[in-house]
Amino acid sequence: GNSVTQMEGPVTLSEEAFLTINCTYTATGYPSLFWYVQYPGEGLQLLLKATKADDKGSNKGFEATYRKETTSFHLEKGSVQVSDSAVYFCALSGQAGTALIFGKGTTLSVSS
Amino acid sequence: DAGVIQSPRHEVTEMGQEVTLRCKPISGHNSLFWYRQTMMRGLELLIYFNNNVPIDDSGMPEDRFSAKMPNASFSTLKIQPSEPRDSAVYFCASSLLGGRPNEKLFFGSGTQLSVL
Repeated sequence: GNSVTQMEGPVTLSEEAFLTINCTYTATGYPSLFWYVQYPGEGLQLLLKATKADDKGSNKGFEATYRKETTSFHLEKGSVQVSDSAVYFCALSGQAGTALIFGKGTTLSVSS
Repeated sequence: DAGVIQSPRHEVTEMGQEVTLRCKPISGHNSLFWYRQTMMRGLELLIYFNNNVPIDDSGMPEDRFSAKMPNASFSTLKIQPSEPRDSAVYFCASSLLGGRPNEKLFFGSGTQLSVL
């Protein structure tokens, strides 16, 4: 079945450091891929998405490129801020009418 | 729009008691999801509804768990009897599923359940 694997956290960075959170997936067909973010005490919210191979999703300085050849969708940001501290979830959606499948989440902590 | 509304925000109960979690989805959304979040397992899909009909309940742990959606604006997740291992954050989410892969879920703030 479909699944998502994320790098284990927590990830601890200083402000303005470069961020990479790895995500790989297993899926049949051509899934859509997503990154969701969960700020402390809140529900998840969509950060960015990509719906086909080689698409790049971007939002708030974060980027991720849909790589079919490596089945990956790594999240990157060139310069993190303290306000980026949150839990990041990689997710995929397969066939129409199916629910999103989430990875376990990666906690990011940014210090000033 | 007020977003997805869950209640209660926190619930502390004793083992064996019945627990009912409530969710009001965003008006106009036709899909509703219940997820459970724990440190060990991350975010797990329990069940989801489309047009008030349960589509996939394979994630419901066991018969102690049940979910209903009597109308488009309300859903409940019930645990009876509750056990300490049910302690987790339970999220409800809704979306507008128009026959395409589900793209954007809107999550509530969750219910933090502690079973003592």
